[in-house]
Amino acid sequence: QKEVEQNSGPLSVPEGAIASLNCTYSDRGSQSFFWYRQYSGKSPELIMFIYSNGDKEDGRFTAQLNKASQYVSLLIRDSQPSDSATYLCAVNQAGTALIFGKGTTLSVSS
Amino acid sequence: SQTIHQWPATLVQPVGSPLSLECTVEGTSNPNLYWYRQAAGRGLQLLFYSVGIGQISSEVPQNLSASRPQDRQFILSSKKLLLSDSGFYLCAWSGDTSKRNTIYFGEGSWLTVV
Repeated sequence: QKEVEQNSGPLSVPEGAIASLNCTYSDRGSQSFFWYRQYSGKSPELIMFIYSNGDKEDGRFTAQLNKASQYVSLLIRDSQPSDSATYLCAVNQAGTALIFGKGTTLSVSS
Repeated sequence: SQTIHQWPATLVQPVGSPLSLECTVEGTSNPNLYWYRQAAGRGLQLLFYSVGIGQISSEVPQNLSASRPQDRQFILSSKKLLLSDSGFYLCAWSGDTSKRNTIYFGEGSWLTVV
C-alpha cells in the first residue's frame, strides 16, 4: 500500500526562524511531490511541487527532494504567524491521483 | 483562468437520509475530477476520481457513489448516510500537465450526520 508519512506535530517556531517540515513516502515509483497548506476549516492550497532531485525555491519556501532516500522536505524561511497552518505532503505517479500524508501542524509565535 | 466551485458549503443531515454534493469546474476542458474526504484527525482520503464523462473509479468501498454527467460536473451521492460519513468533503480537479497534474481544490463541504 502506498503511504506518505509526516510528523503530525505541532512544530513550534518563533517568528523569523526557519521551519523545516519533513515527509517520507513508500512508493519508489513516485514521480511528483507536492506541498499544500491548509488553514483551519479551509481547503488545501498549493505551495509548490518538485519532481527532480535537489532544491527548488519559491520566495520564502524551498522544497528539497531526495528520491534515493524517498524523502521530501519543505523549508520556510523568515516564518511569520500567518504561516501557522497544517502542511500536507502529497505524491503521485504519472496519471494517478495524489496520495496525501496526514499533515504537520506548524505554529509560529510572535 | 480555471475555477472550481462546490456546494453546499455546510449541511447537517440525519442518519439514513440521502446526500448530494455538486462540483463544477470552469475554464478548462476534460479535467480529471476527484472527491476527497477529510475526517477529524485523519488525512485526506481519496474517494473517487474520474478521467472523463461516465468514467468513475472508486478507491474506497462504502455507501457513497459518484457520477459525472457532464465534462466539468462531478456529483457525490449517498442513498442512506451513516454517522461515519461525517467530514469535510473536497472536490478537486487536475489537467495541466505543465504543472505535473497538480490538483486544485474547491472550497469544501462540511457534512455532519446526526
